Amino acid sequence: GNSVTQMEGPVTLSEEAFLTINCTYTATGYPSLFWYVQYPGEGLQLLLKATKADDKGSNKGFEATYRKETTSFHLEKGSVQVSDSAVYFCALSFSNDYKLSFGAGTTVTVRA
Amino acid sequence: DAGVIQSPRHEVTEMGQEVTLRCKPISGHNSLFWYRQTMMRGLELLIYFNNNVPIDDSGMPEDRFSAKMPNASFSTLKIQPSEPRDSAVYFCASSLQGARNQPQHFGDGTRLSIL
Repeated sequence: GNSVTQMEGPVTLSEEAFLTINCTYTATGYPSLFWYVQYPGEGLQLLLKATKADDKGSNKGFEATYRKETTSFHLEKGSVQVSDSAVYFCALSFSNDYKLSFGAGTTVTVRA
Repeated sequence: DAGVIQSPRHEVTEMGQEVTLRCKPISGHNSLFWYRQTMMRGLELLIYFNNNVPIDDSGMPEDRFSAKMPNASFSTLKIQPSEPRDSAVYFCASSLQGARNQPQHFGDGTRLSIL
C-alpha cells in the first residue's frame, strides 16, 4: 500500500538556522506530494505541493522538490523563525483517490 | 472566504454520554473527511463522504461511532456511548473532488475529553 515516512522529531533549532525534514514515500505509480503544517491549537494547513517528478513546491520560504529516483520530498527552509514552530506532515495522494496518506508528523520548535 | 467550521471547539463529558461533533465544509466542496488525532496513533482517517454519500468508513473504530451528511453543507460525527479512550482531537476537512490534486482544507478541530 501507499505510505509516507518522515524523520522523527522533535527538532529544536535556533532562529535563523537551516531546517530540513526528510520525507520518503512508498507508492505504486506517481502520486502528488504535499507538506501540511499544524500550528498549536489549529488544524492542518497546506504548506506546499508538487504533482510530478522534479516539481518544486514553495511557500513562506519553505521548499520541497519531488524526487522520483529517491522517492523523496524533503522540506527545507534556509532561515527559520520562532513563528515556524509547528508540526509538519508529509502526505501523498493519487488523482483517482482523494484520500491523503499522512506521515507521522515532525514537531519543530524554534528558539529565539 | 469562510473555511471549514467545526463545533464545538472543546467538549468535556462523562463516559457513557452521547457526543455529537459538527462540521460545515467550505461551500462548493463535495468531499468531506473526518479525522481523529492522538499522540499515540497520530492522524487517522475515520470516514470520507463524496457528494454526501459515505464512500469509505473503514476507519471508524467501532459501532459506537457514526457519521452522517444530510446535505452538502453539514456533517455530524456521533459517539454513543462515549468512552475515555475516545478522547482526542477530531478534525473535519473538505476538498473539491473532480479538480485534480486539490488539497484538503481542515477545520480547527474539536478537542474531546471523556472523563
